[in-house]
Amino acid sequence: QVQLVESGGGVVQPGRSLRLSCAASGFSFYTYDMHWVRQTPGTGLEWVAAISYDGSDKYYADSVKGRFTISRDNSKDTLFLEMDSLRPEDTAMYYCVKPLRRGIKWFDPWGQGTLVTVSS
Amino acid sequence: DIQMTQSPSSLSASVGDRVTITCRASQSISRYLHWYQQKPGKAPKLLIFAASTLQSGVPPRFSGSGSGTDFTLTISSLQPEDFATYFCQQSYITPPYTFGQGTKLEIK
Repeated sequence: QVQLVESGGGVVQPGRSLRLSCAASGFSFYTYDMHWVRQTPGTGLEWVAAISYDGSDKYYADSVKGRFTISRDNSKDTLFLEMDSLRPEDTAMYYCVKPLRRGIKWFDPWGQGTLVTVSS
Repeated sequence: DIQMTQSPSSLSASVGDRVTITCRASQSISRYLHWYQQKPGKAPKLLIFAASTLQSGVPPRFSGSGSGTDFTLTISSLQPEDFATYFCQQSYITPPYTFGQGTKLEIK
């Protein structure tokens, strides 16, 4: 059974950093591209970042480019999102998501999410 | 970036009703359109991918159609467990893979 479990969220002051993790199980993690998607009540769902199966290619939303870094450790089946220079508008539930199949960009399953609150 | 516009933003309906939700893309996305259902406090769940293919385990009362810029999600006979928020998402060619703003389906 595929499972994605995020962790690392919390309350952080503007300008500070936070690192999210996503522990994957139940599938061959090292063969899948992986993504982060976030959700806020006001702006809905926003795709944040993606990383290729081997970590060689990374893609970012314009809203986080230069501040967030996606990475992975295939030896530990873990996905990361390093978030620097955090802003109040980064406040959201962050989901780790897996493509339904290799090479496609629709997502199933999603993790349960980890909440990030950026506030002074 | 490709913009996705859903309508309506909210909808009240009764058990047994037929309901249609629309998603429009700002440019042609072929059939790279997918639908998710989200219940309060839960992560979104994939319902339909590639415009019309039901994800495994999704009841056949759900259906999707469309191509190019205009897409619809139809629930043929609403059940109590269908009251939720529905999102569309496009995955045409390159990132960002944008979502619609959501349609909240409520009980009348």
